[in-house]
Amino acid sequence: KNEVEQSPQNLTAQEGEFITINCSYSVGISALHWLQQHPGGGIVSLFMLSSGKKKHGRLIATINIQEKHSSLHITASHPRDSAVYICAVTRDDKIIFGKGTRLHILP
Amino acid sequence: DTAVSQTPKYLVTQMGNDKSIKCEQNLGHDTMYWYKQDSKKFLKIMFSYNNKELIINETVPNRFSPKSPDKAHLNLHINSLELGDSAVYFCASSQQREGEQFFGPGTRLTVL
Repeated sequence: KNEVEQSPQNLTAQEGEFITINCSYSVGISALHWLQQHPGGGIVSLFMLSSGKKKHGRLIATINIQEKHSSLHITASHPRDSAVYICAVTRDDKIIFGKGTRLHILP
Repeated sequence: DTAVSQTPKYLVTQMGNDKSIKCEQNLGHDTMYWYKQDSKKFLKIMFSYNNKELIINETVPNRFSPKSPDKAHLNLHINSLELGDSAVYFCASSQQREGEQFFGPGTRLTVL
């Protein structure tokens, strides 16, 4: 079993829908990262968090350290949000990635 | 201005050859990384350098050797290329160890 599990693996939704992507991990961590990989291949860091909640525009990331769980929410989703969203955790200088969630927003 | 740059963007080569991928960051970050993304799109860390010092070396064949001439550069040399080395290689940097990552555009390596 991977130390970082994401769900769902694939998600298709209509424009405007509220999106939630989940990430669970099984190890102690220093921080959790949410990354976005565009269809063209580029990777962008969305959030790095170790507690609580962060918001950037239409994106919100939360983390529950006790439950070893994080969620990424997208409000008012748009076709340009279509991408692969990757959860990663860092500990002891190491970074472990989830397998990603492929999101497709239909117009 | 590009924050993390990699060259080349594409690299096609024959099995057995030796090749290098260069990475430069102009963010003034202390830590740099190399990642491999396989055909299933799974990312895995290969190396991490902090202030030119190696801090992570995952179970990567010793045909792969990172070289950091200065804090702003982390190059990846690969000897005796094999078919299984075909992948996209990403360089990244962060201000401190385990910090927010800034990724380069990736280098798609194809070994024939």
